[in-house]
Order: sequence, then structure tokens, then C-alpha cells
Amino acid sequence: QQQVKQSPQSLIVQKGGISIINCAYENTAFDYFPWYQQFPGKGPALLIAIRPDVSEKKEGRFTISFNKSAKQFSLHIMDSQPGDSATYFCAATQTQGGSEKLVFGKGTKLTVNP
Amino acid sequence: DSGVTQTPKHLITATGQRVTLRCSPRSGDLSVYWYQQSLDQGLQFLIQYYNGEERAKGNILERFSAQQFPDLHSELNLSSLELGDSALYFCASSPRQGEYNEKLFFGSGTQLSVL
Repeated sequence: QQQVKQSPQSLIVQKGGISIINCAYENTAFDYFPWYQQFPGKGPALLIAIRPDVSEKKEGRFTISFNKSAKQFSLHIMDSQPGDSATYFCAATQTQGGSEKLVFGKGTKLTVNP
Repeated sequence: DSGVTQTPKHLITATGQRVTLRCSPRSGDLSVYWYQQSLDQGLQFLIQYYNGEERAKGNILERFSAQQFPDLHSELNLSSLELGDSALYFCASSPRQGEYNEKLFFGSGTQLSVL
């Protein structure tokens, strides 16, 4: 079963625009929600993460919005740049008493046109 | 550069064969994770080792096995290979400080092609 559902599969935005990627999870025991960024030929790298005790976390142009009641969280990339073109993965895990494994969404390929 | 080294970068083999993928974690990291990435399944957790011991198991086939050695490097062994095993295999490491270390550092992966 897919515990973390991510959409859209692909996204094309213009330079300077806002990129929005959405994820939904099923397991209410999840308590840590990171986003990973992957460039071609490279492994995923942690971009930003949030815990469910806050509704929003911002780091530079990247913001995570979290809705605990809806079991949804999203990544917003403001002022998107061509260098942001990559595949983005949302993930979730249960950090207390869980198996410690990260469950990933299937990824969103973002293309930012100049 | 994440500091996690995976070898080889590419591997081409035939069905029925056995291969070994190698991972050297970041210096000082005790925990090693293996993930399989394919277009249809995304990133699937296979197995985790912590300081030489198996810690967690995911969707790992019985034909696959792994181990972590005293020097903390890890190997993933894939046997009786099938066409469907073709994928990108990632190793990740984390320091494992405290109850859970949330940041994984991924290597660049091994691209396995089974012909």
C-alpha cells in the first residue's frame, strides 16, 4: 500500500513563479515529514522538514505547509528558478517506537523554464 | 558531495546472476539504509543496519540480502536476478544520535541493468 501519495507527477513553471507540490499520508503515527530534492545522477538530499506541532516552516524560498487534520502537507517554492529543476520527494516517518524507515512519495519532476 | 560512497556506479548483468553492491557511509555514521528506486515504485526502503546489526526490514525480496561490516561499510547482495530487479539502488547513512536521527545522507546510487 502507498502510505504517502504525492501529486502532481510533473510540474512546469516559469521562472519567478510559485511551484506547489502536495502530499497526503495515511498513518496518523507519522510525526516527521521531510522533503528531499534529487538532481539527475545524484541521490536525494534533504531540503526541508517539518513536525506536526507547527503548521508552517519556511527556509528561504522553500515553505512547508502542514494540515494535520487533513493529513496533508505541501511544498511551496517561491520565485522558482531554473536551478530548482529537479525531482522532489515528500516523505514521512514515525520517529518514536516505529521502524525508523522513511516512506517516500513517488516524486514530482519540476521543470522551471527560464 | 554527501560523503556516502557507492560502488559501482553502473552494473550490467544477465538474468539469474548474482551481484554485490557496496556502500561506504559518511565517516562516523553508524546507520546504513538501502533503498531501491524505480520509475513505477519510487523509492522503496529495503533494509537498515545499525552498527553491524539489522535494525529494520522493508520490502526486501528473499533473493536479496545485506550486511554491515565492522568497519561500517555495507554490502547489498542480489541473487537470481530478474529483469524486474533493474533499478537504481541507493545507500544512505545517518549518525544515529539519540532516539532517531532524521537526516539521511544518500549516495549517488548504483544503476543496475539486468538483461
